[in-house]
Amino acid sequence: KQEVTQIPAALSVPEGENLVLNCSFTDSAIYNLQWFRQDPGKGLTSLLLIQSSQREQTSGRLNASLDKSSGRSTLYIAASQPGDSATYLCAVAMNMRGKLVFGAGTILRVKS
Amino acid sequence: DTAVSQTPKYLVTQMGNDKSIKCEQNLGHDTMYWYKQDSKKFLKIMFSYNNKELIINETVPNRFSPKSPDKAHLNLHINSLELGDSAVYFCASSQGTNEKLFFGSGTQLSVL
Repeated sequence: KQEVTQIPAALSVPEGENLVLNCSFTDSAIYNLQWFRQDPGKGLTSLLLIQSSQREQTSGRLNASLDKSSGRSTLYIAASQPGDSATYLCAVAMNMRGKLVFGAGTILRVKS
Repeated sequence: DTAVSQTPKYLVTQMGNDKSIKCEQNLGHDTMYWYKQDSKKFLKIMFSYNNKELIINETVPNRFSPKSPDKAHLNLHINSLELGDSAVYFCASSQGTNEKLFFGSGTQLSVL
């Protein structure tokens, strides 16, 4: 049974810092991995999707890496801003049918 | 225009009642999902439809019945509501079964 763990559970940083969020999964036989952000009272927004054959994806100040063999992914946020404050979730797709298994999330607060 | 819209946003009801949540996407996607986020913020998939065909049906009580009248709509009907059904229910869609997910803003269901 796939289990997804995110560390840390919460993180508070001053504006401008670079930061790393971690995601680990127990079963390395995944199809892809997605990083999402969730704002309070809102739905999730997909940030980056990494296919199992890829090592990383970049979008603006965000960079996600995937090491399938070790069951790990990181989300790197450069030059953090208060607007980055949200809960960040990672999710792995276990098969072609699209079933995602989510981690519990990291609550990020960027202080101005 | 909201890409994935679900109604109602809030639903407060008594135990034993039957209720429905509606979802519509205007992205032209083939696949739609229902996810449940419990009080601990864990997101778990409930159902997935691809081109109106049910492809994922997790261990969800029979009281929950999804219906997809067409590719753009996926509704969730819940019979005989129980206290434990209280959660936020999210609808989502994607172009294929392993593409980026687009989420609705959620329906907060409270069963009293």
